Amino acid sequence: DTEVTQTPKHLVMGMTNKKSLKCEQHMGHRAMYWYKQKAKKPPELMFVYSYEKLSINESVPSRFSPECPNSSLLNLHLHALQPEDSALYLCASSQAWGANTGELFFGEGSRLTVL
Amino acid sequence: AQRVTQPEKLLSVFKGAPVELKCNYSYSGSPELFWYVQYSRQRLQLLLRHISRESIKGFTADLNKGETSFHLKKPFAQEEDSAMYYCALGQGGKLIFGQGTELSVKP
Repeated sequence: DTEVTQTPKHLVMGMTNKKSLKCEQHMGHRAMYWYKQKAKKPPELMFVYSYEKLSINESVPSRFSPECPNSSLLNLHLHALQPEDSALYLCASSQAWGANTGELFFGEGSRLTVL
Repeated sequence: AQRVTQPEKLLSVFKGAPVELKCNYSYSGSPELFWYVQYSRQRLQLLLRHISRESIKGFTADLNKGETSFHLKKPFAQEEDSAMYYCALGQGGKLIFGQGTELSVKP
């Protein structure tokens, strides 16, 4: 399996809801990432996990809460989001993480709409 | 600060014409540079990385440290090359993307 799989593909939620985005990879990669992408804009890094530990948090608001239960899974828990958080959320993985970035493998994304 | 600049938002060429997508970067150390491509309704995927010096789908990119550039080139564009292209800089485990250039190849 050489893919990063994200579920759900689409999610609509209200500002008071709690939901989660899930990401899975079975390539043995030890680094996993969450990116946010607005329409016609480049992906923006949110979080990096390396060996299941949070390595980078790009000053993301606490209403986004990442979790890495094991080396194959990455979750993004969502709570009390704002309409401006509506975007495509991309998960990615790479063999390792450190000084050299290496190739990132991206999922197809979860399109989130906050009403 | 580290930065990646893609000056063209949209590049439109005819099939068979040469194409060059520009990318300039600012980085104080030895850069790690990539081109990623996003075809319509497909996932973002790696096209080229500067260390491999290979040609993928007829595309090449040469790192010019003097001009701090990593332009993407193809001698004869095909309609299936139409996509969004992102130049990216690897820095300390982060991938910093340029704003992207949408390439449209017309028949």
